[in-house]
Amino acid sequence: DVVMTQSPLFLPATLGQPASISCRSNQSLVYSDGNTHLHWFQQRPGQSPRRLIYKVSNRDSGVPDRISGSGSGTDFTLKISRVEAEDVGVYFCMQATHWPQTFGQGTRVEIK
Amino acid sequence: QVQLVESGGALVQPGRSLRLSCVGSGFTFSKYGFHWVRQPPGKGLEWVAVIWFDGSYKYYADSVKGRFTISRDSSKNAIYLQMNSLRVEDTAMYYCARHGYGVWGPGTPVTVSS
Repeated sequence: DVVMTQSPLFLPATLGQPASISCRSNQSLVYSDGNTHLHWFQQRPGQSPRRLIYKVSNRDSGVPDRISGSGSGTDFTLKISRVEAEDVGVYFCMQATHWPQTFGQGTRVEIK
Repeated sequence: QVQLVESGGALVQPGRSLRLSCVGSGFTFSKYGFHWVRQPPGKGLEWVAVIWFDGSYKYYADSVKGRFTISRDSSKNAIYLQMNSLRVEDTAMYYCARHGYGVWGPGTPVTVSS
């Protein structure tokens, strides 16, 4: 199975300041069609996961443009340019290139 | 609006069976594949199973293979997860998600305990 490793696992963030989460896979996530099926999710307390970013860098509808995704191959990053209170929650990366599809451990973002 | 709603979660004893349902609305159900994903209390997400849009392909996590069966009834806009020989470690919130993971249900809780 593809192992997805996130860091940090806990991120105390400052309002208005940037924050960044790393996600690394132990195999390339480039699919045979050339796409990289790496997604990012946010899970707020008591809610189901919500997809924020699909295929590395595509923002979902309603996701603010201060949230962005980047990376390639085995190394990916989720960035929040200016942290807001609504960003509190757990963030997961996930690969959907290989079976079984696998998630990172999750990064808990809290406000300092 | 586009939504998925799971049901069927319960408290069951180890070794017993349970069937979860997920009903979709607001989109053309028969065009999509669906996943089941679970989350043990206080832990991360684990992908469980997938079924193709036409039901022709099904795939399972090793942890549930041989015990769980995914199926669909597009006439009812529903997918199911038949869970047999349940174990304590199957305790989790179970979510269904549309292919691509852009749509999730609110989840249904399963607790396996004696």
